[in-house]
Amino acid sequence: DTAVSQTPKYLVTQMGNDKSIKCEQNLGHDTMYWYKQDSKKFLKIMFSYNNKELIINETVPNRFSPKSPDKAHLNLHINSLELGDSAVYFCASSQFAGGPSDTQYFGPGTRLTVL
Amino acid sequence: TQLLEQSPQFLSIQEGENLTVYCNSSSVFSSLQWYRQEPGEGPVLLVTVVTGGEVKKLKRLTFQFGDARKDSSLHITAAQPGDTGLYLCAGAPSGYALNFGKGTSLLVTP
Repeated sequence: DTAVSQTPKYLVTQMGNDKSIKCEQNLGHDTMYWYKQDSKKFLKIMFSYNNKELIINETVPNRFSPKSPDKAHLNLHINSLELGDSAVYFCASSQFAGGPSDTQYFGPGTRLTVL
Repeated sequence: TQLLEQSPQFLSIQEGENLTVYCNSSSVFSSLQWYRQEPGEGPVLLVTVVTGGEVKKLKRLTFQFGDARKDSSLHITAAQPGDTGLYLCAGAPSGYALNFGKGTSLLVTP
């Protein structure tokens, strides 16, 4: 059973399009996250939801909008895609909302390529 | 943002060699974590260090948290090709999401 799953695994699209990435966790965790990993492998937090409420919203363009329909799902919608949005996007979940005993479990990533 | 600097950025060694990866910050962290990421996959937690001066061992991997809780190191003894991957240190300054270092890409050749 996959703990944190993301779809799609690969996404290739044209500039200006709108696309969504879906994430689901079956671990019963309260907190979910979206991270972006750039071409140099730098992993940076974008958003975090705890019990469907947004608790972290880093400096991310308004074109990115997360949505959490329930605790087990956190989707990422991106409007008007730009070349610089090309990256690998990781979803993660954790039982609590951080702290030294909180382990984050990452999904396999979605590789987004904007042409 | 509390920055975590990792060194070296790249490391290519032969099977059987030892290596150390460093993670440094000018800020104090309540804890630091080490993750390993393999190609095409998400990071996987290896260890969390919490107490200054703490040493944790995971088979051939030894993790140390600095006394001042500003730095950490990962030492691998007798590296194997299966150790190949991207090693990331991370800390949660505000208790929520993780700040990651830029990673150390390790290649172990037979």
